Amino acid sequence: AQSVAQPEDQVNVAEGNPLTVKCTYSVSGNPYLFWYVQYPNRGLQFLLKYITGDNLVKGSYGFEAEFNKSQTSFHLKKPSALVSDSALYFCAVRGYRGSARQLTFGSGTQLTVLP
Amino acid sequence: EAQVTQNPRYLITVTGKKLTVTCSQNMNHEYMSWYRQDPGLGLRQIYYSMNVEVTDKGDVPEGYKVSRKEKRNFPLILESPSPNQTSLYFCASSSGGGDTQYFGPGTRLTVL
Repeated sequence: AQSVAQPEDQVNVAEGNPLTVKCTYSVSGNPYLFWYVQYPNRGLQFLLKYITGDNLVKGSYGFEAEFNKSQTSFHLKKPSALVSDSALYFCAVRGYRGSARQLTFGSGTQLTVLP
Repeated sequence: EAQVTQNPRYLITVTGKKLTVTCSQNMNHEYMSWYRQDPGLGLRQIYYSMNVEVTDKGDVPEGYKVSRKEKRNFPLILESPSPNQTSLYFCASSSGGGDTQYFGPGTRLTVL
């Protein structure tokens, strides 16, 4: 079965500094990977995904993610953090339940950007 | 506007009182899913539906029912809610299972 690990429950970073939110995965076959963001009292919003091709994927709001097959990682990054980036971030991997495809989510990482 | 709607957004109920949380999408998606979100556990899938009249269990289906009579609607039914079902619930839809999912705003349920 597929799985996702987000090793940090909480990440704090100063505004203007680069940020990284970590994600590692386990899945059979080629990985399809996603990042979602959840702002307070809102549903999850899609940020970006990796299917194939360039290992650096660019997404919404200036975020990008780096796919590393040898380390089975898909870390979310942003060169310069904003206070408004403070939110809960989820990594997800596509896998299978029987013959049905599904997304499996990590436990989430709370990002706090300090002014 | 493409969206997934859920109702109600907030619900406080008592043990054993049947309730339904509605979910509707306007994107003509075939795949719909229900998740619950609990602190430290992330999102766990309750049930999913690959198309009309096709539903199946997710990771945590106990105590829940679903139906998919129309493509756009996927209600979540708690026949006899218990306090351990107190949680934040999300409905999501996508063109296929494992594709980019679009989430509703969430329903915060408290069972006393």
